[in-house]
Amino acid sequence: AQKITQTQPGMFVQEKEAVTLDCTYDTSDPSYGLFWYKQPSSGEMIFLIYQGSYDQQNATEGRYSLNFQKARKSANLVISASQLGDSAMYFCAMREGRGNNRLAFGKGNQVVVIP
Amino acid sequence: GAGVSQSPSNKVTEKGKDVELRCDPISGHTALYWYRQSLGQGLEFLIYFQGNSAPDKSGLPSDRFSAERTGGSVSTLTIQRTQQEDSAVYLCASSLSRGRKLFFGEGSRLTVL
Repeated sequence: AQKITQTQPGMFVQEKEAVTLDCTYDTSDPSYGLFWYKQPSSGEMIFLIYQGSYDQQNATEGRYSLNFQKARKSANLVISASQLGDSAMYFCAMREGRGNNRLAFGKGNQVVVIP
Repeated sequence: GAGVSQSPSNKVTEKGKDVELRCDPISGHTALYWYRQSLGQGLEFLIYFQGNSAPDKSGLPSDRFSAERTGGSVSTLTIQRTQQEDSAVYLCASSLSRGRKLFFGEGSRLTVL
């Protein structure tokens, strides 16, 4: 079964607008962590934001925020005030359990920011 | 170096040949991971090292794939008798022992003709 689902088609976003990237996950483990990574054309995976399953508050990191809806098993990424440099693939990932360090990745969302 | 370094950045080989991909993690990072990314796909976990041991190698797709890590630092992923379906970008990442954040290299793009 797919652990992480990202189903949105490629998106075009106007510069300075906000964009929301959808991510749903599947786990029966009460302890897990959710991550978002950005992959620009250079290929490197860049960590953006982390949300723990027991965290009470939604995670925020600068222009990135995570809309964590635990009951719906949803962890959408919101990028505010989009910049041209935000054009990239965005991957949602999950780590299950406390001692497990492997991440399960979704297939990614393509975002293109247009001026 | 400051980040995770991988070499070669590009490798073209003929079917049936062996290849070695190298990863030099961030200094002090005890955990090291190999992932594979096929065209248009997300990342597929291959193997995880903690120090020189590999507590989780469940993602290796076949016995043609092996990896080792020496001195708690550099890791080598070896693919024997390469097949066309092995063509992908192989990404290495490292982290502190119990760190949440994985730092990735830029990957090694393997093309098997």
